[in-house]
Amino acid sequence: DAGITQSPRHKVTETGTPVTLRCHQTENHRYMYWYRQDPGHGLRLIHYSYGVKDTDKGEVSDGYSVSRSKTEDFLLTLESATSSQTSVYFCAISEDRGLSTNEKLFFGSGTQLSVL
Amino acid sequence: RKEVEQDPGPFNVPEGATVAFNCTYSNSASQSFFWYRQDCRKEPKLLMSVYSSGNEDGRFTAQLNRASQYISLLIRDSKLSDSATYLCVPWSGGYNKLIFGAGTRLAVHP
Repeated sequence: DAGITQSPRHKVTETGTPVTLRCHQTENHRYMYWYRQDPGHGLRLIHYSYGVKDTDKGEVSDGYSVSRSKTEDFLLTLESATSSQTSVYFCAISEDRGLSTNEKLFFGSGTQLSVL
Repeated sequence: RKEVEQDPGPFNVPEGATVAFNCTYSNSASQSFFWYRQDCRKEPKLLMSVYSSGNEDGRFTAQLNRASQYISLLIRDSKLSDSATYLCVPWSGGYNKLIFGAGTRLAVHP
């Protein structure tokens, strides 16, 4: 299995508080992604990174920010958590194979976030 | 119309049965397709990639119908361990263009 660690695994927080989720990889892969998964929806891309300090928005980026100061770490921050951000968050990585796609995603175990 | 549509199921089948799921997609520019498997409360894992008309890997066969814009996944000789949710994922280009379907749940019983 790919070396991806998400922390925390579970978190309960209150509306309006800041929350940071961490994704750590030991594979030295270039690309990292944050997805959320909600019932009835597929995985939806929040933000992704294509290198250190290089990030871009995904489909559902409002209310989220990211940072990548090292290859191995990709942080997702909810500046002021809302109940609509209650979800399961997955981090994923993919290697740079010189193609325009990185479809072989390896996912972390996920973080269950509950915003009350 | 959703970009990717899958029957949520569940498909309840006995061991040894053959079962097929369909996935329809709306973007005719989709070039490649992927099936991911997700066990309950676990992360998705890549099951199969489809770059042309289809692919076969052991008991699993994926077939693509570009004219009708759907892709199917056939599982032969179902095992209890096949019980999971199967996610259909078309790709239409770019690093952030993997569109995940909501998945089809399969439950294989003895």
